[in-house]
Amino acid sequence: GQNIDQPTEMTATEGAIVQINCTYQTSGFNGLFWYQQHAGEAPTFLSYNVLDGLEEKGRFSSFLSRSKGYSYLLLKELQMKDSASYLCAVENDYKLSFGAGTTVTVRA
Amino acid sequence: DSGVTQTPKHLITATGQRVTLRCSPRSGDLSVYWYQQSLDQGLQFLIQYYNGEERAKGNILERFSAQQFPDLHSELNLSSLELGDSALYFCASSGGGAETQYFGPGTRLLVL
Repeated sequence: GQNIDQPTEMTATEGAIVQINCTYQTSGFNGLFWYQQHAGEAPTFLSYNVLDGLEEKGRFSSFLSRSKGYSYLLLKELQMKDSASYLCAVENDYKLSFGAGTTVTVRA
Repeated sequence: DSGVTQTPKHLITATGQRVTLRCSPRSGDLSVYWYQQSLDQGLQFLIQYYNGEERAKGNILERFSAQQFPDLHSELNLSSLELGDSALYFCASSGGGAETQYFGPGTRLLVL
């Protein structure tokens, strides 16, 4: 079975940093994706981790620990447009299993 | 714009009916994936096709079926519709391996 957990909601101030944690227990694991989804829109790709460690991409960074079944997405210098749902997804055998998503609200 | 197109954008129909959702992948992508997103279930993987053949199957109901055509576009057929089938249906495409999936804008289905 697949069990992927993320916090439901987080709130932060414009310009701040927010860390979204994701823990997973899955029957297989090839890699972990993070997607951003604005309400009513399609998910858009943010990052992909296969190996342990930190991947940095501009204001967004993602970390993976395969031994701990743990990942986080770090959003720096928050902007109002970053208000969205952030989805953690485990890839195995060409299938993506998604967490329920974390809704991030950025306040001025 | 991801390059993945889906039609129609919105669909309103009645219980018991049958609908077809259409997806065209990004140019060069061989894999097409279908997902269902409802408020209470999150984003659920339904089925994947690679170059015309079914490759992976998720929690797809027997009332639902899909296919990928020689030109690589795909269709998702939903039959004997129920109220609970109301959801956003997304199509995604990738090159074929364990690669990033790019999502289309979705079809919003409302079953009345």
